[in-house]
Amino acid sequence: SQQGEEDPQALSIQEGENATMNCSYKTSINNLQWYRQNSGRGLVHLILIRSNEREKHSGRLRVTLDTSKKSSSLLITASRAADTASYFCATVQGAQKLVFGQGTRLTINP
Amino acid sequence: DTAVSQTPKYLVTQMGNDKSIKCEQNLGHDTMYWYKQDSKKFLKIMFSYNNKELIINETVPNRFSPKSPDKAHLNLHINSLELGDSAVYFCASSPRTGWQEKLFFGSGTQLSVL
Repeated sequence: SQQGEEDPQALSIQEGENATMNCSYKTSINNLQWYRQNSGRGLVHLILIRSNEREKHSGRLRVTLDTSKKSSSLLITASRAADTASYFCATVQGAQKLVFGQGTRLTINP
Repeated sequence: DTAVSQTPKYLVTQMGNDKSIKCEQNLGHDTMYWYKQDSKKFLKIMFSYNNKELIINETVPNRFSPKSPDKAHLNLHINSLELGDSAVYFCASSPRTGWQEKLFFGSGTQLSVL
């Protein structure tokens, strides 16, 4: 069954603006991961946030985690054309299975 | 280059045929995976192997048979291909099995069954 669900499914913004994507999940987690997928390519790991962390930064990326609401958000600041991609959250089901949502398709317009 | 590489990148075939997709990782990882991504971008795990041993086998038709000759290779053989098998298949690896591991993905094999 699908664990993470991203929202919105698609997002289109102007270059330089900030992009926020959300992920909701159903069961308790140990960590939550975000991945990026460029068109025609495989997924690339962006950031992992543990269940005891509330916020994490990596360059222009900021991830928050609210375990009480079972949700996470990914913020990309000062977006660039190269950020155009699909973004997926992933959580672990059982001991070993990383389960992905359907992703948010982000388009950065020049 | 250190990477997860899979071949072929594109595979076009007729219904009923048998085909294989190969995957190799030179990252020294113990665990490898096959994921299927459908036309709506939904990514679903199919199989996982840890050091050549099958550890995850999702509800996948038995026409799909993974084979891991060593921990650096995980191939996927599909018998009697059906239209619904058309999708992008991704191989991935992680250092170990476990909830804390991040995955490294190959660039995918786009399978089109006509």
